Amino acid sequence: NAGVTQTPKFQVLKTGQSMTLQCAQDMNHNSMYWYRQDPGMGLRLIYYSASEGTTDKGEVPNGYNVSRLNKREFSLRLESAAPSQTSVYFCASSAGTSGHNEQFFGPGTRLTVL
Amino acid sequence: AQSVTQPDIHITVSEGASLELRCNYSYGATPYLFWYVQSPGQGLQLLLKYFSGDTLVQGIKGFEAEFKRSQSSFNLRKPSVHWSDAAEYFCAVGARGYNKLIFGAGTRLAVHP
Repeated sequence: NAGVTQTPKFQVLKTGQSMTLQCAQDMNHNSMYWYRQDPGMGLRLIYYSASEGTTDKGEVPNGYNVSRLNKREFSLRLESAAPSQTSVYFCASSAGTSGHNEQFFGPGTRLTVL
Repeated sequence: AQSVTQPDIHITVSEGASLELRCNYSYGATPYLFWYVQSPGQGLQLLLKYFSGDTLVQGIKGFEAEFKRSQSSFNLRKPSVHWSDAAEYFCAVGARGYNKLIFGAGTRLAVHP
């Protein structure tokens, strides 16, 4: 099992460009999450999907959109990238939606917006 | 609102020394508590978790943590640190019926030979 995979690993964008970060999990998990990690701020939740067909905003959703393509895949889109979106992005998944479920993380995407 | 505080941003210890990383949480009921570790350039890996029962929980890589309700703390400990433990450590809190984790800002651990 690969667990949670993310593509790409690195990306450099110019301000105003768009891109989609891809995430897939092979653990048959119901819930998936997108976080951003910035120095001194830990991980902050951008969007999550409790189950296939549903998505909800997290703590910092502005400037992002998501799509839960199917049970395995959950993508994050930046429509018009801004320097403030320079960050490391992590996708995670969990079996269920209750807070006791362990979240499994992908290796991350390091994004730089110039 | 739930919150997690990790008071120490950086900690440096010598190899073989003991380690304690602090975590304080704010939550009205008994929370679910987690410690994750992030090695350089990697994703997060679960070290241990507390849901209920015995307040001292054992995790992987020789780590343990103790839940102290009176102090709203969940500190991570290891008796003897190895150079490979150098990483960033995150405390997180979850709650029943609440499908999000709240993470602390992290503590970066450096290990001197």
